[in-house]
Amino acid sequence: DIQMTQSPSTLSASVGDRVTITCRASQSISTWLAWYQQKPGKAPKLLIYKASSLESGVPSRFSGSGSGTEFTLTISSLQPDDFATYYCQQYNSYSQTFGQGTKVEIK
Amino acid sequence: EVQLVESGGGLVKPGGSLRLSCAASGFTFNRNSMNWVRQAPGKGLEWVASIDSTSGYIYYADSLKGRFTISRDNAKNSLYLVINSLRAEDTAVYYCARDGPAVAIDFWGQGTLVTVSS
Repeated sequence: DIQMTQSPSTLSASVGDRVTITCRASQSISTWLAWYQQKPGKAPKLLIYKASSLESGVPSRFSGSGSGTEFTLTISSLQPDDFATYYCQQYNSYSQTFGQGTKVEIK
Repeated sequence: EVQLVESGGGLVKPGGSLRLSCAASGFTFNRNSMNWVRQAPGKGLEWVASIDSTSGYIYYADSLKGRFTISRDNAKNSLYLVINSLRAEDTAVYYCARDGPAVAIDFWGQGTLVTVSS
């Protein structure tokens, strides 16, 4: 199975900060990577697919980049609604895997 | 409006079985691959299984093979997951999730809680 490792596990930031979350794959997944946002008690929400494509309706302050084994999710200016847990997911192989999650907390 | 509504969760004794259902509406169900993803309390997301639009291709997480069976009924716009020989570690919220045109999961249901305890 392809392993996905996110860093950091927890991130403390303030409104207006630029935030970057990293996701590393144990082997190349081309650009078959998605990012999701999840708030407590809610289902995840797709933010980014194909590593860098913004899902319809998602604010442009979210962006994704990377290919192969290294990927990043960037929030250009953190907003109060963005405090949540973020997951990367690879869907390169028939067996999909998620990263362990990054919790973005208020500093 | 796209809707995925899971049902069938509840309290089950270890060793028991359960059938989860997901009722889909608001889109052409027979055109999308579907998934089950679970989340143990306070933990991360774990992909469980996928099924393509015609049930021709079915995949399971390696760690879960043998006890889980995914299926669908396109005539009823429904997705199913049967879990046998339930264990305490199967306690989780189980989400029904749709693959979008870009293959990534683009829509999730609200989940159904399965609790395995004696």
